[in-house]
Amino acid sequence: EPEVTQTPSHQVTQMGQEVILRCVPISNHLYFYWYRQILGQKVEFLVSFYNNEISEKSEIFDDQFSVERPDGSNFTLKIRSTKLEDSAMYFCASSPQGITFFGPGTRLTVL
Amino acid sequence: AQRVTQPEKLLSVFKGAPVELKCNYSYSGSPELFWYVQYSRQRLQLLLRHISRESIKGFTADLNKGETSFHLKKPFAQEEDSAMYYCAPYTGGFKTIFGAGTRLFVKA
Repeated sequence: EPEVTQTPSHQVTQMGQEVILRCVPISNHLYFYWYRQILGQKVEFLVSFYNNEISEKSEIFDDQFSVERPDGSNFTLKIRSTKLEDSAMYFCASSPQGITFFGPGTRLTVL
Repeated sequence: AQRVTQPEKLLSVFKGAPVELKCNYSYSGSPELFWYVQYSRQRLQLLLRHISRESIKGFTADLNKGETSFHLKKPFAQEEDSAMYYCAPYTGGFKTIFGAGTRLFVKA
């Protein structure tokens, strides 16, 4: 059964550095998402992407964040200048519509 | 405002006891409701959706439009049911919103 994959599983970075989190959504899905989960807190929506553009974003998704689908398979989340509070689990997800399929997550640790 | 509420952060029951995880939503229109589960060290995965009316792993959930609730129930909890459960409405827009989640702990 096809799955969403994410790399790396764990990323450690210094505050102020740029990070790129990578995802390969399920191939025939049209909607792509990033969510994050700060330790001990709920899963929060960051952004959705459809038809090669952002369709919706939350207030968390400020100018430090960007998403890209550089080719037909990858979907990336870039954080331009990481802050301590960006430390969280980041989940990529994709959907044909309705049911959302999640990747295993990337744990981002900002030191 | 669109909102989903899971009032219990933690629910602890004994093995074999019935369990009910509560979810209330406040949405305009008719959202499609889902329950997602996250077992320890695993990804979030779909448990069930209201339109399918299925029973998955012994769990059922009935959509009550009058009470705007979508509680998850299981008559006899098992230890392997211990996990984090999220109620998640999908309104046909571009996102699924998750409740705060309820951690279910089933004691032996």
